[in-house]
Amino acid sequence: QPVLTQSSSASASLGSSVKLTCTLSSGHSSYIIAWHQQQPGKAPRYLMKLEGSGTYNKGSGVPDRFSGSSSGADRYLTISNLQFEDEADFYCETWDTNTRVFGGGTKLAVV
Amino acid sequence: QVQLVQSGSELKKPGASVKVSCKASGYTFTSDAMIWVRQAPGQGLEYMGWINTNTGTPTYAQGFTGRFVFSLDTSVSTAYLQISSLKAEDTAVYYCAREGDSGNADYWGQGTLVTVSS
Repeated sequence: QPVLTQSSSASASLGSSVKLTCTLSSGHSSYIIAWHQQQPGKAPRYLMKLEGSGTYNKGSGVPDRFSGSSSGADRYLTISNLQFEDEADFYCETWDTNTRVFGGGTKLAVV
Repeated sequence: QVQLVQSGSELKKPGASVKVSCKASGYTFTSDAMIWVRQAPGQGLEYMGWINTNTGTPTYAQGFTGRFVFSLDTSVSTAYLQISSLKAEDTAVYYCAREGDSGNADYWGQGTLVTVSS
């Protein structure tokens, strides 16, 4: 089954941009993923679906500051013009007919 | 708009059972599968399995067989997670999430905290 690898933490300055990475395991580089945001004390929120081609489709109400891109087995979430409210845990998710997996999550600090 | 509203927090003793509900609204309940996800304190998201809301057939992920049961009441658009023989390590927030047309989770419930303590 696929495995998703994420860095445990990241930090960026208010108003800057940050690019978070989710890496698919060997043999699964073509998989579609989804990104979810979990603000402190809240439920996860779906951000977008991201294909290996780099095409992404955002969920309802997701700000334009959030975008996705891909390169090989890597799937990226870029947040521009960072706001303090963007401080959160970010999880990637992938699935196939047999299972579903989440990455370990990246804790983003906005400083 | 799509909403998933879960039941409130539970405090249970070891060995007891708990049933968490997830009431869906804003879409046709039987059109999309329901996923269950666990989040232990300070930990990440862990996939528990899913239930086919059309047939009622559950599928459990590894590690969630035996004590965990997914069920439905389609008359009230509600999915349930029952955990029996509770252990301290079952203490976690449990989320339901809708499986969208693309296959990913696209709407999440607010979560239900289950605390197991003597």
